[in-house]
Amino acid sequence: AQTVTQSQPEMSVQEAETVTLSCTYDTSESNYYLFWYKQPPSRQMILVIRQEAYKQQNATENRFSVNFQKAAKSFSLKISDSQLGDTAMYFCASRMDSNYQLIWGAGTKLIIKP
Amino acid sequence: DAGVIQSPRHEVTEMGQEVTLRCKPISGHNSLFWYRQTMMRGLELLIYFNNNVPIDDSGMPEDRFSAKMPNASFSTLKIQPSEPRDSAVYFCASSQGGTIRDTQYFGPGTRLTVL
Repeated sequence: AQTVTQSQPEMSVQEAETVTLSCTYDTSESNYYLFWYKQPPSRQMILVIRQEAYKQQNATENRFSVNFQKAAKSFSLKISDSQLGDTAMYFCASRMDSNYQLIWGAGTKLIIKP
Repeated sequence: DAGVIQSPRHEVTEMGQEVTLRCKPISGHNSLFWYRQTMMRGLELLIYFNNNVPIDDSGMPEDRFSAKMPNASFSTLKIQPSEPRDSAVYFCASSQGGTIRDTQYFGPGTRLTVL
């Protein structure tokens, strides 16, 4: 079965610091996509960044970047220069070529302290 | 460009009442997903539509739940009769297609409370 694991239930850092959220996944497929979604207190589920498995280059979106280690099946999210507005639940998710479903991790609650 | 629109944002009802949740996907998207989020079970896919046709409803909890998509711009999720255990946040999401490359964009969710 395909699984996504987020081992950090909660993290907190000071504003302007860099923080890395961990995610590991398990699949036997060669073609898949990985996603990080952010859910702030407003509950809106917002796409932060996505990575295609066949691309070796790590995806980046402004202050957000990923460290994609395909062999290790690891997909961590790095947030640089963290801001108060980054406070949210962060969910890692995967989507395999054989299945339209998103497989979700349990989430990491990130708190940015002023 | 408008995102996925859901209504109502909050719904409080009493056990046994019918509840209807509404969703308008992003224009041009042909795939629509209904999810339920609870603390205990996280995010669960309830049903997936492609080109207005239900492709997979295996996540629908039981016969009390039904979903329709009469056209490309509107979908409903109905619970009849509602029960306290249905209390959750219900999300609608849409994507341009049903392939692996198509990112799902979520609506703001409907927080349902059944008393």
